[in-house]
Order: sequence, then structure tokens, then C-alpha cells
Amino acid sequence: NAGVTQTPKFQVLKTGQSMTLQCAQDMNHEYMSWYRQDPGMGLRLIHYSVGAGITDQGEVPNGYNVSRSTTEDFPLRLLSAAPSQTSVYFCASQDRSSGNTIYFGEGSWLTVV
Amino acid sequence: DAKTTQPPSMDCAEGRAANLPCNHSTISGNEYVYWYRQIHSQGPQYIIHGLKNNETNEMASLIITEDRKSSTLILPHATLRDTAVYYCIVSRGTYKYIFGTGTRLKVLA
Repeated sequence: NAGVTQTPKFQVLKTGQSMTLQCAQDMNHEYMSWYRQDPGMGLRLIHYSVGAGITDQGEVPNGYNVSRSTTEDFPLRLLSAAPSQTSVYFCASQDRSSGNTIYFGEGSWLTVV
Repeated sequence: DAKTTQPPSMDCAEGRAANLPCNHSTISGNEYVYWYRQIHSQGPQYIIHGLKNNETNEMASLIITEDRKSSTLILPHATLRDTAVYYCIVSRGTYKYIFGTGTRLKVLA
């Protein structure tokens, strides 16, 4: 029972580098989203998708791109990493059939130096 | 989506009931109250949700006031494993959840 799977779990980037955080879910959920969590703070929504081919911006979208070519996958791309993007990133999918319950991945710890 | 107000921290003795309050005075009629918790730095975990009526599941109970402006999450017999940050969220059940900073519950042995 995989649920929501994120890779990598840990990553160190240099300023200006680009990378992609991978997210996959095996629950056939339409809604998927990406959050970031900075130390001592709650989660903030970066981007979300309501289905394959449809994405939109959340609270803090700058510096990130997303795409949704399949129901299962929702990768998050950092275009040119900055130290301000050092954070823990959580991918989530949402079950509309059970009151929109959100299922989160285990997180990806990103450090930009 | 309506914002919520929670105390930043609470302590509870092991074996006792933990009662976590949440104010959501601007909640609208079609918005649900959701509770999640986050243990250490793991991904948040769903606990329970409700609209008007009180709800109970194997993890917790949710008590919503009649005017729906506040609610209480009850962990009936708190254990050390319940130490976590608890988030109260009000949402129409769409993709836009505002998490806030939650309540840090510490269960004491």
C-alpha cells in the first residue's frame, strides 16, 4: 500500500541549480498538491492540480513549476534554486470520495547552499 | 476559506483526555472542520472532519458548537505517541487548505 511516494528524501543543491522533486500516488486521486514547510511554521501551498493536464498556483508559487501529464504523477521543478527555497516539501493527494481527506508523502528535505 | 485560531501549545498527562480547542468564527455554512496532526517532521496525518454534527472515529472525537464558530478535538486517552502538532483547518473541501501553525501537544509520562 504505497500511497504517496516522494523522491528524493534528501537533496543538497547549489544556488542556481535546477532540480525536480518527484511525486507519485497509486490511489487514483484527481487532486494533487505541493506544500512547503519552513522551520516552526505551518504548511504553505505551492501549486495544485485538479486533474491530468490542469494545474494552478497556490500561496507561494514563485520559483517553482509543475505539470500533470498523468493522474499518478505530479513533479515539482525548481527552476533556479535559491537559499530561500531551503525547506521541507510535501506532496499530497486528495480523496474526494471521503470528504476530501488529504494523504501526504513523507517529505523531501531540500537544502540550497 | 475561513481562518482558524489555536493555542500554540498544550500539555496533557498520559492516559488523560486531551482537549484541543479551535476557533473559526468566520466559518461559512458550507465549510467543514478538519483536523490533522504532524508527528516530528513526518507528513501530516488525517484525524477527523465534520460539518455540523459531532463526529467520532477510532482516533478521536470532534465536538462542534451549535453556532459552528468553534470546535474541540478530543483524544480520549492520550499516549506518548500522540505528542505532535495538531492542525485545525476550515475548508469547503477543495484543494486549498490553509494549515496555520497549529497546537503543539506534549503528552507527559
